[in-house]
Amino acid sequence: DVKVTQSSRYLVKRTGEKVFLECVQDMDHENMFWYRQDPGLGLRLIYFSYDVKMKEKGDIPEGYSVSREKKERFSLILESASTNQTSMYLCASSLDYNEQFFGPGTRLTVL
Amino acid sequence: QKEVEQNSGPLSVPEGAIASLNCTYSDRGSQSFFWYRQYSGKSPELIMFIYSNGDKEDGRFTAQLNKASQYVSLLIRDSQPSDSATYLCAVSGPNRDDKIIFGKGTRLHILP
Repeated sequence: DVKVTQSSRYLVKRTGEKVFLECVQDMDHENMFWYRQDPGLGLRLIYFSYDVKMKEKGDIPEGYSVSREKKERFSLILESASTNQTSMYLCASSLDYNEQFFGPGTRLTVL
Repeated sequence: QKEVEQNSGPLSVPEGAIASLNCTYSDRGSQSFFWYRQYSGKSPELIMFIYSNGDKEDGRFTAQLNKASQYVSLLIRDSQPSDSATYLCAVSGPNRDDKIIFGKGTRLHILP
């Protein structure tokens, strides 16, 4: 079975802190994605990557950056956390561009 | 702007009945269609996918696709309380660069 893991289930940070969210998949998938999910807004794509060192902006990249140094790992970085970045963050991976498998999510609270 | 529309619900269905979840999409070129189940506080889990017109059955789940009407549905037979969740419809085009577009989900509540 595909396994996608995320570094933390719950995280509390302060405004202005730099935040790293890590995602690792163990199925040699080429494509990896970061979403945030908020009530009433659904899943929104932040960034995605279809190869090592490649990254593409999604629908809401502002305030975020990503890093993909190894195929299995995709990191989301909040350079200076703000309260409006309080959300559930979901990482996903896929072999092709379709069937995405999600990690358990990180619920981030920015105070 | 490509869109995927779902009724937010909640849809309440008695235990043992058939639950019918619907989804419409705006991009006529869409080729791949997915249903994800998401329990409260958990991440989405892929339960069905369909690529061609018609029905696809997997256990108690049936996905139905009508490309002419740009409509995809999920039927859950013999609904169980454990089916209570939010169901996300997702749609993708034929190309590698086509992003998956997710609907906002329908909340399903199975009444014991």
